[in-house]
Amino acid sequence: GESVGLHLPTLSVQEGDNSIINCAYSNSASDYFIWYKQESGKGPQFIIDIRSNMDKRQGQRVTVLLNKTVKHLSLQIAATQPGDSAVYFCAEMNTNAGKSTFGDGTTLTVKP
Amino acid sequence: ETGVTQTPRHLVMGMTNKKSLKCEQHLGHNAMYWYKQSAKKPLELMFVYSLEERVENNSVPSRFSPECPNSSHLFLHLHTLQPEDSALYLCASSQYLLYNEQFFGPGTRLTVL
Repeated sequence: GESVGLHLPTLSVQEGDNSIINCAYSNSASDYFIWYKQESGKGPQFIIDIRSNMDKRQGQRVTVLLNKTVKHLSLQIAATQPGDSAVYFCAEMNTNAGKSTFGDGTTLTVKP
Repeated sequence: ETGVTQTPRHLVMGMTNKKSLKCEQHLGHNAMYWYKQSAKKPLELMFVYSLEERVENNSVPSRFSPECPNSSHLFLHLHTLQPEDSALYLCASSQYLLYNEQFFGPGTRLTVL
């Protein structure tokens, strides 16, 4: 249930496994990053954010890792549940320039 | 619910029609946003308003015209659209401009015939 380093458009995992979703960002000036979850028929929902002065941040069952050297962001979901099935995408922001860019999504499917 | 509502949820319009999308946020936020979400493409930021003042316009065609009469309401006026404008249009709000969590509405699914 992992895809370390590589962005994949789809990821299928077994319920209870851990999931890792990856995102490569393009702008080295980006200083704020967000992961969103979007379920079918709904708008995106904030999951977790991280600022560029950090390399790890933990939430409830989720962890975001930031590697500025290679411009890579990952979202780790522990003990994945069927309700985690959704499209996940990252956003990078250059707050000084007021610019934001969203990544391609990854569709996570959790098999019971 | 996120505290951001959008109407209508679905809209079908011809290329010569004029319609408006409405967004309302009940969160007391100062910034509001319009996004376009097309199939198989990343989310695209269209317009940003902070304290009712437009602060960003990402090279959006003039057939899309935003309006922010107050900090709780945001409109997107549509006229002479093209079929390629068919997409999900999402509204979002945040407490402050860009540098924090955005709350999204459910979107308006627009189809241009």
